[in-house]
Amino acid sequence: QSALTQPPSASGSPGQSVTISCTGTSSDVGGSNFVSWYQQHPGKAPKLMIYEVTKRPSGVPDRFSGSKSGNTASLTVSGLQAVDEADYYCSSYAGSNHVFGTGTKVTVL
Amino acid sequence: EVQLLESGGGLVQPGGSLRLSCAASGFTFSTSGMSWVRQAPGKGLEWVSSIISNGGNTNYADSVKGRFTISRDNSKNTLYLQMNSLRAEDTAIYYCAKGWFDMDVWGQGTTVTVSS
Repeated sequence: QSALTQPPSASGSPGQSVTISCTGTSSDVGGSNFVSWYQQHPGKAPKLMIYEVTKRPSGVPDRFSGSKSGNTASLTVSGLQAVDEADYYCSSYAGSNHVFGTGTKVTVL
Repeated sequence: EVQLLESGGGLVQPGGSLRLSCAASGFTFSTSGMSWVRQAPGKGLEWVSSIISNGGNTNYADSVKGRFTISRDNSKNTLYLQMNSLRAEDTAIYYCAKGWFDMDVWGQGTTVTVSS
């Protein structure tokens, strides 16, 4: 159950786009339709932003989108806003286990 | 309003036990898979355990297997996590979350500190 690999940080100016990668293996990300992304602001609980690789829960802006290619999933935030500055975690369900990513801190410049 | 409210955290000595509770409201608890996720101070999220709606299937992270037990009482809309043989590395905020494949509702968390 090794953590999925994410870049420690990513940044962009307001209005720009940022993409965060999440790399696993064929046993988790590559072999699962259940890849999700969570946003966490400091001192707050995580919030589901993307589920089942590409789906957005009700209320999540369409600026957030998810994709997957092979063993790597990606989260793209378009039209960056100050409120998007937060930590982001990917997660994959595979077999009987869940595994989270190492987390990426997104900074809005 | 959909809500999860954890309780039961606190300071415990190494080797001790704690039981966390998570009271659910605003959704049909008895048809929802549920999970526990923890976050050590300054660290990332770590999945701990999940249980299906009727309690008939449970999964655990290797780091807690054999020490922690997840359970639920659908008549009380409450999820539990019994934690035994606690170690310093179990120190974390423990979040209750609704979901099995993904977690769409989260509680505010309860803090567990394992220290002598």
